[in-house]
Amino acid sequence: EPEVTQTPSHQVTQMGQEVILRCVPISNHLYFYWYRQILGQKVEFLVSFYNNEISEKSEIFDDQFSVERPDGSNFTLKIRSTKLEDSAMYFCASCVERENIQYFGAGTRLSVL
Amino acid sequence: KQEVTQIPAALSVPEGENLVLNCSFTDSAIYNLQWFRQDPGKGLTSLLLIQSSQREQTSGRLNASLDKSSGRSTLYIAASQPGDSATYLCAVIQGGSEKLVFGKGTKLTVNP
Repeated sequence: EPEVTQTPSHQVTQMGQEVILRCVPISNHLYFYWYRQILGQKVEFLVSFYNNEISEKSEIFDDQFSVERPDGSNFTLKIRSTKLEDSAMYFCASCVERENIQYFGAGTRLSVL
Repeated sequence: KQEVTQIPAALSVPEGENLVLNCSFTDSAIYNLQWFRQDPGKGLTSLLLIQSSQREQTSGRLNASLDKSSGRSTLYIAASQPGDSATYLCAVIQGGSEKLVFGKGTKLTVNP
């Protein structure tokens, strides 16, 4: 069964460093998303991406964040200068049509020291 | 601003029991509602999606209902098993938006 793949599963970084989280969405999906979950808190929406541009973003998704689809298969989230409060589980999701079922990856645990 | 609440926060039941998890949302102008399962340290697995025009959806031992006008959904799990132990999340998509707005989840423990 097709699945959303995320790498790495765990990323440890120093405060102020740049990180790139990678995702391979399901191959025929057109809509891509990033969410995050701080330990013990709700899953929060960050950004949605369609047709090579951001279609919606939250207030969390400030200038420190960016997304890219560098080729036909990968979808990345970049954090330019990580802060301690960026430590969270980051989930990538995709769906074939807007407002259809969103399929989630297993997540990348980001630890900022 | 849409808020999603799930009650109870945690639930412990003996194996074989039927149970109901509750989800409420403040803005009834939703496009759909989705139930997920999350195992510790893992991703989210979609269980059921209910469109705003639907009243319920069934998948195996799971049945989800939606009362959009009252802002409520329930997830019914029949004949619970220890393998059902997980956190169950409810999430809605608002009309005109693409983002899922999540509740905090109900942590279910099914004891053998």
